[in-house]
Amino acid sequence: RKEVEQDPGPFNVPEGATVAFNCTYSNSASQSFFWYRQDCRKEPKLLMSVYSSGNEDGRFTAQLNRASQYISLLIRDSKLSDSATYLCVVNWDGSSNTGKLIFGQGTTLQVKP
Amino acid sequence: EAQVTQNPRYLITVTGKKLTVTCSQNMNHEYMSWYRQDPGLGLRQIYYSMNVEVTDKGDVPEGYKVSRKEKRNFPLILESPSPNQTSLYFCASSPRRGFTDTQYFGPGTRLTVL
Repeated sequence: RKEVEQDPGPFNVPEGATVAFNCTYSNSASQSFFWYRQDCRKEPKLLMSVYSSGNEDGRFTAQLNRASQYISLLIRDSKLSDSATYLCVVNWDGSSNTGKLIFGQGTTLQVKP
Repeated sequence: EAQVTQNPRYLITVTGKKLTVTCSQNMNHEYMSWYRQDPGLGLRQIYYSMNVEVTDKGDVPEGYKVSRKEKRNFPLILESPSPNQTSLYFCASSPRRGFTDTQYFGPGTRLTVL
């Protein structure tokens, strides 16, 4: 099993659609979770951190399910500008003394007019 | 402007010719890291550094070296590059160690080893 696994897609959706991505992780000790956005082989940029209670930022909602070891990202009212690759990122062992991060391979979203 | 810079941005070299990719950040961040990105494999961590003179291996450290003599710089060294090191490389920095929050990535270095 991969350490962090995502469905690579692509997800092709019309503007205005709601789309959800899931990401599973294998290490139950992981403590920190993030979603990054990457445009066309440019540098990744933080979209949002994922907290146990779930968190929302405008049209974006992130959720964490520790029991099932997955995190999700929901995008409502998709815009053309949301087209990108979304990377799931997990801090590997949960220790505050290591900096090892594991990235999923990314899920590609294409929003069509 | 707060940023992470990498040089060179593009490099084509030949097998065995030592090279260094520089990385510099002007945000006084403690944590820095190197990644490589390959199609179908995503971003994989090569090395990271929690602070000056403190470095540790990531997932794919073989064939690479790093150093952290100053807080702002974290060069990636390929002593004897091979074609399987052809990849897109990103440097990143973060203000916090351990539970790294926002990582700021450099623009990337596209390396081709012939």
